Amino acid sequence: DVKVTQSSRYLVKRTGEKVFLECVQDMDHENMFWYRQDPGLGLRLIYFSYDVKMKEKGDIPEGYSVSREKKERFSLILESASTNQTSMYLCASSSLLGTVSNQPQHFGDGTRLSIL
Amino acid sequence: AQKVTQAQTEISVVEKEDVTLDCVYETRDTTYYLFWYKQPPSGELVFLIRRNSFDEQNEISGRYSWNFQKSTSSFNFTITASQVVDSAVYFCALTNTDKLIFGTGTRLQVFP
Repeated sequence: DVKVTQSSRYLVKRTGEKVFLECVQDMDHENMFWYRQDPGLGLRLIYFSYDVKMKEKGDIPEGYSVSREKKERFSLILESASTNQTSMYLCASSSLLGTVSNQPQHFGDGTRLSIL
Repeated sequence: AQKVTQAQTEISVVEKEDVTLDCVYETRDTTYYLFWYKQPPSGELVFLIRRNSFDEQNEISGRYSWNFQKSTSSFNFTITASQVVDSAVYFCALTNTDKLIFGTGTRLQVFP
């Protein structure tokens, strides 16, 4: 089974802090994704990556950056955390068989981040 | 623009009832994929099904079934004889490129 592991289930940080959310997958997947989930808004894509050192902006990249130094690890960085970044963050990965679009994404358990 | 609408925000049923979760999508593309995911209280989204736009056959998997109708741009999900363990948030999603577009989800509560 695919395992996507997010480093923290719950995290509390202060406004202005630099925050790192880590995600590791064990299935040698090429594609990795970061989403945030908010009530009434569903999941929104922040950033994704097709390969090591590659990154693409999603729908809401402002205030975030990412890092993919190794294939199995995809980090989300909040450069200067703000209260409106309080949310559930979900990491996902998928294989590159065929095209990106038709492979199911496998998700981690999520990190519930609170910015005070 | 692509869009997925799950008009039902929350549904409550009693165990053993059948329940249908609606999903309506918008896309101008002829080739696309539709997905359903389940998010139990633990938080992890679990992949349930994928359907491509050229395959309109309905699918049944145990108590789960899916009805894909291109004519109405719908991809509805039915749970037969619901159980308490079916309680979760269910998301419908659409893609034809490199991004999944999610609906806002339907929270299903099944009471004993």
